[in-house]
Amino acid sequence: TQLLEQSPQFLSIQEGENLTVYCNSSSVFSSLQWYRQEPGEGPVLLVTVVTGGEVKKLKRLTFQFGDARKDSSLHITAAQPGDTGLYLCAGAGTGGFKTIFGAGTRLFVKA
Amino acid sequence: DSGVTQTPKHLITATGQRVTLRCSPRSGDLSVYWYQQSLDQGLQFLIQYYNGEERAKGNILERFSAQQFPDLHSELNLSSLELGDSALYFCASSVTLAGGSTDTQYFGPGTRLTVL
Repeated sequence: TQLLEQSPQFLSIQEGENLTVYCNSSSVFSSLQWYRQEPGEGPVLLVTVVTGGEVKKLKRLTFQFGDARKDSSLHITAAQPGDTGLYLCAGAGTGGFKTIFGAGTRLFVKA
Repeated sequence: DSGVTQTPKHLITATGQRVTLRCSPRSGDLSVYWYQQSLDQGLQFLIQYYNGEERAKGNILERFSAQQFPDLHSELNLSSLELGDSALYFCASSVTLAGGSTDTQYFGPGTRLTVL
């Protein structure tokens, strides 16, 4: 059974701090997505990474796909209260139709 | 705006009842996915349809069913509702590339179901 494990499950930090969220699996993915979800709303796509070792930046967010395409990280620099939310990673399978989601990291940034 | 629409936004009903949730995918997307998210929980994959046919099944109860119509919109039917079915139900869509590999899913705003 494919699993995507996210860590930490919960993170509460002060505004201005840096943080890293991890998404790990023993499976190889053809691509991996990161989403951010606010309470009561649908997940919003942040980025898709497809190449092993790929690094993508979105303002203060840096996403990295592992060389073996089994893991990924999301680094936020100088976190702001507006970054508060549930961060979900999702791995798209190879040769099939199944995408799996991690359980998410709930981030709370205090002003 | 992801381009995926869901109706209704809110639904309040009683135990034992039946409801239908509707989803319209992004233009050009052939795959539709349904997810359930209970309070403070992650996304639980229910079912996927691709171009009108069921493609993958997750932890979907027998009381739940779905279908995708020729115009590619999808409906999720929930019957004999129980209190524990109260949750957010999300629909997502994707292109689904040739060869069967999955690609990025785009989510709708969700339907909040409350069973009293």
